[in-house]
Amino acid sequence: DAGVTQSPTHLIKTRGQQVTLRCSPKSGHDTVSWYQQALGQGPQFIFQYYEEEERQRGNFPDRFSGHQFPNYSSELNVNALLLGDSALYLCASSSTGLGVLFGGYTFGSGTRLTVV
Amino acid sequence: AQSVSQHNHHVILSEAASLELGCNYSYGGTVNLFWYVQYPGQHLQLLLKYFSGDPLVKGIKGFEAEFIKSKFSFNLRKPSVQWSDTAEYFCAVLPGQNFVFGPGTRLSVLP
Repeated sequence: DAGVTQSPTHLIKTRGQQVTLRCSPKSGHDTVSWYQQALGQGPQFIFQYYEEEERQRGNFPDRFSGHQFPNYSSELNVNALLLGDSALYLCASSSTGLGVLFGGYTFGSGTRLTVV
Repeated sequence: AQSVSQHNHHVILSEAASLELGCNYSYGGTVNLFWYVQYPGQHLQLLLKYFSGDPLVKGIKGFEAEFIKSKFSFNLRKPSVQWSDTAEYFCAVLPGQNFVFGPGTRLSVLP
């Protein structure tokens, strides 16, 4: 059990559509980060949410947006889907107070998005 | 910008062979280095991490890694691999609160 729950596990969408992915962090964690892992590549950081605000963002277009709720869960939204958005989307949670080194950083199993 | 490179895209070994996976990083500040493993269909799991002290770090499942500052390297080793070690291995740096990952090395262990 990873402690981080993501839904759905698999998703197929058509080009131009919009998608929402969901993440529940590990108990005790208040910070959620999202990563995109394209086939055969390492995960790439999309953005991080803390206290319901985007705190840090990687090199991703504005089509990628997110939200964090008061219970620390989070959503990742992607608009105007492109074929190149097909990837495994990983959610990770951590504790801002403890920091990554001491509080840990836990990944979910991911949502596999296929854009056709 | 920070970056991580991994020497091999795919490594194939027989059981009981020794393993060394290369990792080099590019980052000017204090480095925090990690190795993660991703078994098929499973979440990323932390194998080991280094952020200070002894540069030889021991992790779970018999893995270890050595931080060599002069070479900007953090290679992963295991003396004797098992079929169950078949997985994708990622080296990563933590420059702030989020990771920069390498492209990964796929390890296939033949029984």
